[in-house]
Amino acid sequence: EPEVTQTPSHQVTQMGQEVILRCVPISNHLYFYWYRQILGQKVEFLVSFYNNEISEKSEIFDDQFSVERPDGSNFTLKIRSTKLEDSAMYFCASSGTTIDRVSYTFGSGTRLTVV
Amino acid sequence: DAKTTQPPSMDCAEGRAANLPCNHSTISGNEYVYWYRQIHSQGPQYIIHGLKNNETNEMASLIITEDRKSSTLILPHATLRDTAVYYCIVRVAYSAAGNKLTFGGGTRVLVKP
Repeated sequence: EPEVTQTPSHQVTQMGQEVILRCVPISNHLYFYWYRQILGQKVEFLVSFYNNEISEKSEIFDDQFSVERPDGSNFTLKIRSTKLEDSAMYFCASSGTTIDRVSYTFGSGTRLTVV
Repeated sequence: DAKTTQPPSMDCAEGRAANLPCNHSTISGNEYVYWYRQIHSQGPQYIIHGLKNNETNEMASLIITEDRKSSTLILPHATLRDTAVYYCIVRVAYSAAGNKLTFGGGTRVLVKP
């Protein structure tokens, strides 16, 4: 089955630094998403991206965050001036126009540790 | 999206069927029931979904009550690898605003030898 690929699998950064998390969505998907999961907590929606713009975002997704699809294959999440509380697993997902087995797939995640 | 209620945890014996309940009493007519699972901090994995008819695939069966206010996910022969957090999510199949999934606390299933 097609996969969503995320890199790196684990990133450690110092507080105040900028990080870029990378994702390669499934090639024929149209929507792209970022979710995060703080250790021991729920998976939380951050943002969805469609047609080269943000289609929906949560309250968590403030000015510290930005997303970009710089080319035809990559989808990135940039976190500026990281804080300790940004430490979490970040999951990328992509989907077609409906949610079904093939059409909504998550990557394996990037564990971000802010020290 | 309609709210769902799931038990926080349950144990299951290896080789036996695991029956995971979900209550969604406020579900509306165009909302589907989706089940995902998350194995030890991996990305959520799609299991199955349905509207009103019972569904079965190679992973599980989904039984939806006639009034659609509750459903049960059935793992027919649980294995140790089925130990995970299982999420029941109710939402429309497509939204022009985007297709975010709202995860609750889920049911933590522990399959024991």
